[in-house]
Amino acid sequence: SQQGEEDPQALSIQEGENATMNCSYKTSINNLQWYRQNSGRGLVHLILIRSNEREKHSGRLRVTLDTSKKSSSLLITASRAADTASYFCATTGNTGKLIFGQGTTLQVKP
Amino acid sequence: DVKVTQSSRYLVKRTGEKVFLECVQDMDHENMFWYRQDPGLGLRLIYFSYDVKMKEKGDIPEGYSVSREKKERFSLILESASTNQTSMYLCASSLGGSLGGYTFGSGTRLTVV
Repeated sequence: SQQGEEDPQALSIQEGENATMNCSYKTSINNLQWYRQNSGRGLVHLILIRSNEREKHSGRLRVTLDTSKKSSSLLITASRAADTASYFCATTGNTGKLIFGQGTTLQVKP
Repeated sequence: DVKVTQSSRYLVKRTGEKVFLECVQDMDHENMFWYRQDPGLGLRLIYFSYDVKMKEKGDIPEGYSVSREKKERFSLILESASTNQTSMYLCASSLGGSLGGYTFGSGTRLTVV
C-alpha cells in the first residue's frame, strides 16, 4: 500500500534554479522523511521532520509539513547538476514501518 | 564508510532456484527491512524485523521468507524463484522505535530467467 503521492512525477530545471517537490499522504504519521536515489543505487536519507514540526532546514534543503492538509514539500535551492536524482517522501506511523511514495524524478541541466 | 552491506550487486538465477539475499549492518540497529523496487510501483515492503528471531510481514510477503539469527544480519529468501520476482531489492536498517531515518544498502538487482 502506497502512503504518499508525489507531485510532480518528473521535473526538469536549469542549474541554479530552485526545485520544489510535493508529497501528500493519507493516514496519521509520526514523522515524514525525504530520500534521494541516484540511478540504480540505494536510497540516501536527506531529512526527517516530526509530526509536531512545521519546517526544517538542512543546507540547501527546506522541508515543510502541513498535517492538517496531510502534505509536505521539499525545496532544493540553487540546484546543481549533482542534484539530478529521484526523490521520495516516506511516512512512519505507529507501526514504525516506512511507507514510500512513488517519487519525483529531478533533472538539473548544466 | 559502508554501513549497510548487501552481499551481491547483481544476481542472475533460474526459475525454481532457492535464492538467498544477504544484508549486514554495522550500526547496531534494532530494525531491519527488505523492500523491492519496481518501475511504476515504487518501493514495497516485503518483510521487516524489530529484533533477533523476530519477523513481521510487510505488504507483499508472498513467495518470500526471512531469517534474522543475529542482530546485524537479515536474510531474504526466495523459496522458489519466479520471473515476477525479477526486481531491485533494497535492505535498510534503523534504530528502534519509529523516530529515526533509515540507512539503505546499495541494492541487489535480481534477474530470474
